[in-house]
Amino acid sequence: QITLKESGPALVKPTQTLTLTCTFSGFSLSTSGVGVGWIRQPPGKALEWLALIYWDDDKRYRPSLESRLTITKDTSKNQVVLTMTNMDPVDTATYYCARRGEYSGPFDFWGQGTLVTVSS
Amino acid sequence: DIQMTQSPSSLSASVGDRVTITCRASQSISRYLNWYQQKPGKAPKLLIYAASSLQSAVSSRFSGSGSGTDFTLTISSLQPEDFATYYCQQSYGTPQTFGQGTKVEIK
Repeated sequence: QITLKESGPALVKPTQTLTLTCTFSGFSLSTSGVGVGWIRQPPGKALEWLALIYWDDDKRYRPSLESRLTITKDTSKNQVVLTMTNMDPVDTATYYCARRGEYSGPFDFWGQGTLVTVSS
Repeated sequence: DIQMTQSPSSLSASVGDRVTITCRASQSISRYLNWYQQKPGKAPKLLIYAASSLQSAVSSRFSGSGSGTDFTLTISSLQPEDFATYYCQQSYGTPQTFGQGTKVEIK
């Protein structure tokens, strides 16, 4: 059974750095082709892809946010961490992590999401 | 970035109706097109991948077609549990963009 779960602060202040952790089970991020990505969704708006890390440590970022994002993995802990610097109220959103089961494949399993509010 | 444009943005339909949602990519994405269903307060659920492959355990009333730039999601006979928002997503290039969503509401 594949599961993913996001964890992190529910509230951050403007200019602070957000750190989110995705803890997963039922698959390995050392398996060829597998990736874990982060997607966010502002309240009432569409999904927005942020970043992805593959089994071989290849990392991809949304170009418009690349300077603010860092994605890392800890294969032994089955975790993927996303950091986003210089948070702004427009970054208020539900943040999801999801598994990509094969290179160029879909996100086939998703976490439940975690709502992050940016406010002073 | 590859832009994904869905139409319509919303639609009203009755139980039993045949519903079609379209998704157009701003450049060719071959068949790297996926469809998701999202209900309020829930994470998206994968329905269709690679344009026309049905994800495991998803009802066969969902089907997908298309290649290149134009794609469709069809629900053959709308059921009460199908009222939700549907998103297309391209997994061809980075960033892996989503469409703006199509909300399917009860008529």
